[in-house]
Parts: sequence; structure tokens; C-alpha cells
Amino acid sequence: AQSVSQHNHHVILSEAASLELGCNYSYGGTVNLFWYVQYPGQHLQLLLKYFSGDPLVKGIKGFEAEFIKSKFSFNLRKPSVQWSDTAEYFCAVGANNAGNMLTFGGGTRLMVKP
Amino acid sequence: DAGVIQSPRHEVTEMGQEVTLRCKPISGHNSLFWYRQTMMRGLELLIYFNNNVPIDDSGMPEDRFSAKMPNASFSTLKIQPSEPRDSAVYFCASTGGGPRVEAFFGQGTRLTVV
Repeated sequence: AQSVSQHNHHVILSEAASLELGCNYSYGGTVNLFWYVQYPGQHLQLLLKYFSGDPLVKGIKGFEAEFIKSKFSFNLRKPSVQWSDTAEYFCAVGANNAGNMLTFGGGTRLMVKP
Repeated sequence: DAGVIQSPRHEVTEMGQEVTLRCKPISGHNSLFWYRQTMMRGLELLIYFNNNVPIDDSGMPEDRFSAKMPNASFSTLKIQPSEPRDSAVYFCASTGGGPRVEAFFGQGTRLTVV
């Protein structure tokens, strides 16, 4: 079975700072990778996803993520955060041989100070 | 499509009472997930259905919890009897079209057991 680790549980940044949130997964086969965002009081929404091809994936709101297969990582980045990026971020992994099953990481709470 | 629809949005009940949460997945999606989110435990997968059949219910915490999916457009999560520690936000999500399609989440049901 696959597992997902997000090592940063809480991150506090000032506006305009750069962001990188770590995500590592444990699975030996072909995986599909996702980042979701949950704004305060809301449900999870998709930020970006990776299936194949260019390992650098661009998503909404200026976010991007890089798949590094050798490191089993899919870190999320944003060059300059805004106060409105304050949210919880979840990395998720789906394996091609696990149907539509998704495994989520524990989440990272980001607070951006104005 | 209106997305994944959950009801009720908020539920307050007394300890010992039966609680039923409802979910209508996106039309055409063949997989449905129930998640529980708390501050202490984060986002936990409770049960996963594929084509209306429960595939993985290892996350269901106790026998007090049960879930059904009588048809492709409706699922319920029942807690009987409810306890204060069941207080959480319960999310339903659906996906379809294979493992490369992201999951779509409902708005959640905030359950408070007093």
C-alpha cells in the first residue's frame, strides 16, 4: 500500500516570501500525484496534478510542483505567496493498480502574514 | 453539474443518538470516498466504494460506524450510537474515469455531538 508524508505540519511566512512544501510518497509502481488546497472553512479543491510527461507541473494561482522520481517526492512551490494563500495543503497519491483510491498526506497548514 | 452534494451541512446531536450523513456524488463517477477531518487526526479515509461496492473499509473506526451505497447516486454514513469524540467534519468525495482523474469533494458536514 502507498503512504504519503508531509514533513512540514505548520509553516508561517510573510507576504512575498517563497514557498516550498515537501511531499514524499512510498510506492514502487507508477503513481499519479495531486496537491489539494483547503481554505479556512471550505472543502478540498485541486491545485494541480501530475500523471506523466514534464515533471514540472503548473497549477492554479501561481503554484507549481516538481516530480522527482528518484526521491519519491512531489514538492509544491510558489515564488511569492499572498495573504490569500493561507490554507491547508494536502498532497495525495494514487497508484495505477489501486483503482481510483487516493492516499492523502497529513496536510500542511500555511499561514501568510500580511 | 452541481458537484458533490452533502447533507446536512451542520448537525448537532446528543450523545447516544443516531446520525445519518448523506452524499450525492457527481453523476457518472464510479468511486466514492468518505473522509473524517479533525484537528487531532487530520484527514482520515473511512471507507471507499467502487461501483457501489465497499472496497476498503479499514478506516471505519468502530462498529458504530456503517456506510452504504444503495445506488450510484447516493451514499450514507451512519453513526449509531454517536459519541462526543465523533465530532468532526465529514467529507464525501467522488471520482471516476480511472486513477488519473482527481477526486472532487463535497462541502462537508460539520457534526457536533454533545
